[in-house]
Formats: sequence, C-alpha cells, structure tokens
Amino acid sequence: AQSVSQHNHHVILSEAASLELGCNYSYGGTVNLFWYVQYPGQHLQLLLKYFSGDPLVKGIKGFEAEFIKSKFSFNLRKPSVQWSDTAEYFCAVNDGGFKTIFGAGTRLFVKA
Amino acid sequence: DTGVSQDPRHKITKRGQNVTFRCDPISEHNRLYWYRQTLGQGPEFLTYFQNEAQLEKSRLLSDRFSAERPKGSFSTLEIQRTEQGDSAMYLCASSLGGPLSTDTQYFGPGTRLTVL
Repeated sequence: AQSVSQHNHHVILSEAASLELGCNYSYGGTVNLFWYVQYPGQHLQLLLKYFSGDPLVKGIKGFEAEFIKSKFSFNLRKPSVQWSDTAEYFCAVNDGGFKTIFGAGTRLFVKA
Repeated sequence: DTGVSQDPRHKITKRGQNVTFRCDPISEHNRLYWYRQTLGQGPEFLTYFQNEAQLEKSRLLSDRFSAERPKGSFSTLEIQRTEQGDSAMYLCASSLGGPLSTDTQYFGPGTRLTVL
C-alpha cells in the first residue's frame, strides 16, 4: 500500500531563512506527486505537482520541489521564507488513479 | 464565491445519531472527492465521483457511510449510527476533469463533526 512520510511535524524559521521540508513515499510504480498548503483560516490548496518530465518542479510563491526517484523523495524547498509562508504543508501521492494519499503534514511557523 | 462550499461548517451530534453533510462543487466540475481529516493527520481519501457515478471507495468507508451525487452536481455524505471515532473534519474537493496531469483538486472549507 502507498504511504507518505513527512519528516518534520513542526518547523520554526526566521524570515529569510531557507526552507526544506522532507517527503518520502512508498510505492514502486509510476507516481504523481503533490504539495498542498493550508494557510491559517483558509482552504487546502495546491502548491505544486509533478507528473512527468523535469524532476525539478516550480510552484507558486517561489516554492519548488525535486523528485528523486532513487530516493523515493519529493522535498519542498524555498530559498528565503516570509512570515506569510506560515502554514501547514502536506505532501501527497497517487499512482495515476483518483485516490490520493496525504502525509501527516508539517506545520511551518516563520518568525517575523 | 465560486469555490467549493460545504454545509454545515460544524456539526455536533450524539453517538448513535445520523448526520448528513452537503458539498457543492465548483460549477462544471465533474469530479468530486470526499476526504476525512483527523487531528494531526493529513486528509484520508474516502470516495470519488465522476459525474453521478461513484467510481472508487476507500475501505475506510464502512457500511455506516454512504455518499451520493445525484445528477452529478452537489454531493451528500451520510453517516449512520455515528460513533465517537467518526469525529473529524470532512473535506470535499472538486476538479474539472481531463488528464490528471492538468487536473487540480479545489478543496472546500470542510465540515467539522463532533460526536459526543
């Protein structure tokens, strides 16, 4: 069965610090990978996704993620975080069907 | 507001009662999903509709749970004989359709269920 593991449940950073959130999945076949974000008081929304092609995916608000197939990883990065990036971030995977498996989430708090 | 809407936003019920939640997807979206999210966890897939057809169900969706999407528009999720373990946030999402590579799920605000 597919599963998604997010390494950090809580991350605290100062503004301008670099961010990397880890995500590993377990599934041996072709996968589609996602990062979702939920800002305080808002709905869950898509940050970026990988389906095929360039393993370095760029998303909204300066976020990017790199798919490393050999490591079953899809880590999220941002060179310089802002206070407004405070949110909960979810990594997710599906195998090409409609059932998407989410990780437990990482709560990011950015100190101004 | 043209986003996904859910009603009610909060529901408190006693164990053993039945509850029904409604989801109104974005207009013209033909795919609709239900998820459940408990504290400290990510959303868990429950079921998926393509228009009015329920095409996939998770084993999490026990016999007490039923979902419908009559006419391929709004959807309802009913939980019969609620249990305390059913307490969770129930999320609905919709997407336009087409190839998965270009399809994006838009989530609603959720219905928070508390079973006493």
